[in-house]
Amino acid sequence: AQKVTQAQTEISVVEKEDVTLDCVYETRDTTYYLFWYKQPPSGELVFLIRRNSFDEQNEISGRYSWNFQKSTSSFNFTITASQVVDSAVYFCALSEARAGNNRKLIWGLGTSLAVNP
Amino acid sequence: DTEVTQTPKHLVMGMTNKKSLKCEQHMGHRAMYWYKQKAKKPPELMFVYSYEKLSINESVPSRFSPECPNSSLLNLHLHALQPEDSALYLCASSQTPGTGRNTEAFFGQGTRLTVV
Repeated sequence: AQKVTQAQTEISVVEKEDVTLDCVYETRDTTYYLFWYKQPPSGELVFLIRRNSFDEQNEISGRYSWNFQKSTSSFNFTITASQVVDSAVYFCALSEARAGNNRKLIWGLGTSLAVNP
Repeated sequence: DTEVTQTPKHLVMGMTNKKSLKCEQHMGHRAMYWYKQKAKKPPELMFVYSYEKLSINESVPSRFSPECPNSSLLNLHLHALQPEDSALYLCASSQTPGTGRNTEAFFGQGTRLTVV
């Protein structure tokens, strides 16, 4: 069965600290996709990154970076020099890559990040 | 700004009312979704439309009725809802894969629905 675990329910940091949000997944598929979304208090889910199972390269986008390790089934997300605007709930999600119309995302329970001034 | 637009942003309705939620996207996406999200929980998939045809219904009660009039529009018709249906309803869209390639979904800001 597919599963996504975000063990950290809530994290609180002071501005400018670095913070890492953990994501561990389970799947029996050899081809799959991993996603991170940000949900600020306004409610909209903002797409951050998509990674397929064949691409283990780490990615950096500004202050955001992602570490994908198939050996440990993890896809962790690091924010460097956090800012108050980073305060949000962050969701990690997994989907299969099967032909047809299976469009389901398996979501983690989310990590609520509070960045304090 | 999101390219998926949902209206209204907030809705309060009685249990005997009929209302509709609307979603529009102009990204040329051919898959559209309705999600329900309760506070402090991840989104729950309700419906998926692919090429304007309903492809997934996650056993949603019939008091929720989706409609996809064209490739840019998605509606969710609500009738005889219960207070426990109060939630954030999110619309999303994505490219439709031809061979299983999965692409990211883009979400609207949601409609905060309160059933009284």
